[in-house]
Amino acid sequence: DADVTQTPRNRITKTGKRIMLECSQTKGHDRMYWYRQDPGLGLRLIYYSFDVKDINKGEISDGYSVSRQAQAKFSLSLESAIPNQTALYFCATSDDRLATETQYFGPGTRLLVL
Amino acid sequence: AQSVTQPDIHITVSEGASLELRCNYSYGATPYLFWYVQSPGQGLQLLLKYFSGDTLVQGIKGFEAEFKRSQSSFNLRKPSVHWSDAAEYFCAVGRSGGYQKVTFGTGTKLQVIP
Repeated sequence: DADVTQTPRNRITKTGKRIMLECSQTKGHDRMYWYRQDPGLGLRLIYYSFDVKDINKGEISDGYSVSRQAQAKFSLSLESAIPNQTALYFCATSDDRLATETQYFGPGTRLLVL
Repeated sequence: AQSVTQPDIHITVSEGASLELRCNYSYGATPYLFWYVQSPGQGLQLLLKYFSGDTLVQGIKGFEAEFKRSQSSFNLRKPSVHWSDAAEYFCAVGRSGGYQKVTFGTGTKLQVIP
């Protein structure tokens, strides 16, 4: 089974709708991240969390919110979706106990906002 | 602020040929450097990373990269490319303190022809 899972894998929604993207991990890592990927722009950090009580904004947090329900779960919400939020969204984890931590990515959620 | 440039958007190589993907970074101190691969429909996977020490870094799948401070580069190489290497490759630069401080490049898409 995959260590980092994302649901749904694909989603089509309409402008103004609220949607939630979910991420779960079985790696036991404390740190979790949400990124979006746009063609020609690479990955940009939306939010990150070092533990359940520590959530931080990333480079492009406007229009997004997150919830860390447990160590293993980190959800990303679009309160009122807009077309320029159409992108590929990735969740990732890392273990802060390691001096040379490796980051592990989920398979991604492809979101289309009409 | 740190930045990373991948000057080649798309590269085509023949199977069995050697490969070099370019990455240039901008950062005032010794950076942390990463190469990731993204296969179609997959999340990112770490190929290799450099934090300190030997400037020639070996990674998975037969890849290596060399940190050249004088050129601000961290180019990825493979002596003989396989068809399964067709993917998108991302260079990233960061600094100590965690992945929230990592900046990703815009990616290089590799096509492998028979």
